[in-house]
Amino acid sequence: SQKIEQNSEALNIQEGKTATLTCNYTNYSPAYLQWYRQDPGRGPVFLLLIRENEKEKRKERLKVTFDTTLKQSLFHITASQPADSATYLCALDRPNTGFQKLVFGTGTRLLVSP
Amino acid sequence: GAGVSQSPSNKVTEKGKDVELRCDPISGHTALYWYRQSLGQGLEFLIYFQGNSAPDKSGLPSDRFSAERTGGSVSTLTIQRTQQEDSAVYLCASSLPGQGYSPLHFGNGTRLTVT
Repeated sequence: SQKIEQNSEALNIQEGKTATLTCNYTNYSPAYLQWYRQDPGRGPVFLLLIRENEKEKRKERLKVTFDTTLKQSLFHITASQPADSATYLCALDRPNTGFQKLVFGTGTRLLVSP
Repeated sequence: GAGVSQSPSNKVTEKGKDVELRCDPISGHTALYWYRQSLGQGLEFLIYFQGNSAPDKSGLPSDRFSAERTGGSVSTLTIQRTQQEDSAVYLCASSLPGQGYSPLHFGNGTRLTVT
């Protein structure tokens, strides 16, 4: 079965720096990969989706890369702000399931200090 | 517009009791999912509904768990004879139908505590 690894340790950075979060997976390569943000007591909120044939995707201060050779996605937040503090989850689809049966990582907690 | 609504937000129940968790998806979203999130664990897929098709129940952990979706809208997740290991946050999500690339819209979950 698919295994997703996200750094379980919190990432602490200073405001204004770039935060980089890692998502590694084993076994099959997904057709696409999604990143979600989750705040305490709330459900995950969709941020970005990147397809297997895309190397990079950007949205405002967010950038996602997808390396199917390394089986890795990197999630960057540039010019980070304290409001970016949250847990970030990556999720992969399961091919040939007939629907979007996502497998989620456990998430990495980001703490941005002012 | 209104997002995915779940109720109750918190539920404390005694071991052995049955519980019902409710999910109101976003209007027009025909796909509906239930996930479970335990402390320190990733989201665990439970069940998926799409329109009038038979649901995919492959993630339900035991036959004590069941779910239904009435009229293609509201869904109820039922856990019978609750056990302490059922304690978790139960998240519902909905999405537009499509080729599998639609993002999931999650509710804020129901935190279930079994004492």
